[in-house]
Amino acid sequence: NAGVTQTPKFQVLKTGQSMTLQCAQDMNHEYMSWYRQDPGMGLRLIHYSVGAGITDQGEVPNGYNVSRSTTEDFPLRLLSAAPSQTSVYFCASSRQGGANVLTFGAGSRLTVL
Amino acid sequence: KNQVEQSPQSLIILEGKNCTLQCNYTVSPFSNLRWYKQDTGRGPVSLTIMTFSENTKSNGRYTATLDADTKQSSLHITASQLSDSASYICVVYQGFGNEKLTFGTGTRLTIIP
Repeated sequence: NAGVTQTPKFQVLKTGQSMTLQCAQDMNHEYMSWYRQDPGMGLRLIHYSVGAGITDQGEVPNGYNVSRSTTEDFPLRLLSAAPSQTSVYFCASSRQGGANVLTFGAGSRLTVL
Repeated sequence: KNQVEQSPQSLIILEGKNCTLQCNYTVSPFSNLRWYKQDTGRGPVSLTIMTFSENTKSNGRYTATLDADTKQSSLHITASQLSDSASYICVVYQGFGNEKLTFGTGTRLTIIP
């Protein structure tokens, strides 16, 4: 049982480049979300989805896009990377919303030069 | 403003010793509080989840307490092991129609032999 799988684990981008962070879960969870973790700050919610075809913004959505075409996948897109987006990104899922315990992926470390 | 504050920021103890980590929150409404363990380079993993009616919950050598009146929680680790070295994150879930999770910045615990 793989749980939540994130790829890539590490990525270096130049300012203005675009990329997609992949997230997949095999637990049939309805709720999926993306967080960023920066030094000295708690995890901050970027975008979340309560089911296929439904997405919504979190606390820090600017500069990021998401889509949810299947229950299993929830990719995070950076359209034009900026140095302020240098961070560690975590995908998390749960059976049903924030009430349930989140299962996190291993994280993706992104550096924007 | 909803906040979760953890103390200390970092802690170093000898293997075999006990320690207690603190979490104070101002989140309202309050539905439940979770403690997560995050190993370096990994995603957070749930240790416990406590509702407002629960005062104490144990998970092996980890014991969490909750005082909903004073809005304080603690995580006590007994007979520490080297594998306990990690960051411990306190998270509060509001519920009651608000799906928001508020994350603390974590306590970095280092166990030395």
